[in-house]
Amino acid sequence: QSALTQPASVSGSPGQSITISCDGTSSDIGSYNIVSWYQHHPGRAPKFIIYEVNKRPSGVSDRFSGSRSGTTASLTISDLQAEDEAHYYCCSYAGTSTVIFGGGTKLTVL
Amino acid sequence: QVQLVESGGGVVQPGRSLRLSCVASGFSFSNYGMHWVRQAPGKGLEWVAVIWYDGITKYFIDSVEGRFTISRDNAKHTLFLQMDSLRVDDTAVYYCARDSDVGASGYLDNWGQGSLVTVSS
Repeated sequence: QSALTQPASVSGSPGQSITISCDGTSSDIGSYNIVSWYQHHPGRAPKFIIYEVNKRPSGVSDRFSGSRSGTTASLTISDLQAEDEAHYYCCSYAGTSTVIFGGGTKLTVL
Repeated sequence: QVQLVESGGGVVQPGRSLRLSCVASGFSFSNYGMHWVRQAPGKGLEWVAVIWYDGITKYFIDSVEGRFTISRDNAKHTLFLQMDSLRVDDTAVYYCARDSDVGASGYLDNWGQGSLVTVSS
């Protein structure tokens, strides 16, 4: 199964909002409400920031929000801060206990 | 707090084997499913395998099916990935990650720092 499709890069200035899209298919995002997002700073452990499309784990800033429309999920980061600069990955359940990740998006805070 | 620490990575020739370990602490290991996820150089995350809490139910990505084995020792709070017949394209940082449920909920809520596996002649 092919990876979910994300833009390779996005950028924004401090205080602005950005949105990262994640295109899937009817076999993954379109079939399950099990979409999550991860933040990954190079050299560190990935961090779980969104689950069930739009819920935040305890301790995650409310500047992070998620949504879904059909087979496309989205992550929005509002009030951009320097520490948000990282790679972001979407992930969807794909049936039979498997998951599939997006190709990743590098966020640059200008 | 939850800690996952991988070890066992290194440089290995194509066709050889390597075994990764992931020691868990800070939670009841036997109550959670566990995953391996890898990241090849310059690439994104790729899910590799999952094992349910009881060590019986396991699933793999097609590209490693039959070559990799996932197992766990709940008494020792340790997850394993036995990698046989390694190929150059298995080169990656391998992360262990905890599922948020006993099986495979689809949510990987805690991750280790990763262990680098390099397959090269």
